[in-house]
Amino acid sequence: AQSVTQPDIHITVSEGASLELRCNYSYGATPYLFWYVQSPGQGLQLLLKYFSGDTLVQGIKGFEAEFKRSQSSFNLRKPSVHWSDAAEYFCAVGALNNAGNMLTFGGGTRLMVKP
Amino acid sequence: DVKVTQSSRYLVKRTGEKVFLECVQDMDHENMFWYRQDPGLGLRLIYFSYDVKMKEKGDIPEGYSVSREKKERFSLILESASTNQTSMYLCASRFTGKPQHFGDGTRLSIL
Repeated sequence: AQSVTQPDIHITVSEGASLELRCNYSYGATPYLFWYVQSPGQGLQLLLKYFSGDTLVQGIKGFEAEFKRSQSSFNLRKPSVHWSDAAEYFCAVGALNNAGNMLTFGGGTRLMVKP
Repeated sequence: DVKVTQSSRYLVKRTGEKVFLECVQDMDHENMFWYRQDPGLGLRLIYFSYDVKMKEKGDIPEGYSVSREKKERFSLILESASTNQTSMYLCASRFTGKPQHFGDGTRLSIL
């Protein structure tokens, strides 16, 4: 069975600082990987996805993530954090089945941004 | 733009009640999903549907059922609500093989 671990429950960074959110997955084949963001009171918005090809994936809002098969990781990065990035971030791994990609989510990382 | 609409943002019900959560999408997506979200646990899949009248159990289906009579609507049913079903419920939909689009969630409290 697939699983996703986000080791950091909370992270606080200063505005303008760089950010890296960690994600490790367990899956027996090539995974489909996703990062979603959830602002307070909102649903989840897709930031970026990895299906195949280039292991460095660019997303919306200036985010990027790098797929490292040898480390089973898909860490999310941003060079300079803005106060509006404060939210909860979820990594997810997808697997093919009869209905297409089924997602397993990590527990989430809550990002706080200091002025 | 994809729109996934959940009928209620907040809902308070009593133990033992039958509860209906409704989700509607406007993009003709085949697949629809119900998740519950709890702190530290992320999102866990309750049920999904890959076509009208078709459904499959997710990871935590106990205490829930679903109905998909029309392509655009996917209902989650708590047959006899219990306090451990107090949670945030999220609906999602997608075309097969494409990313999921989420609604804004329903925060359900069972008293």
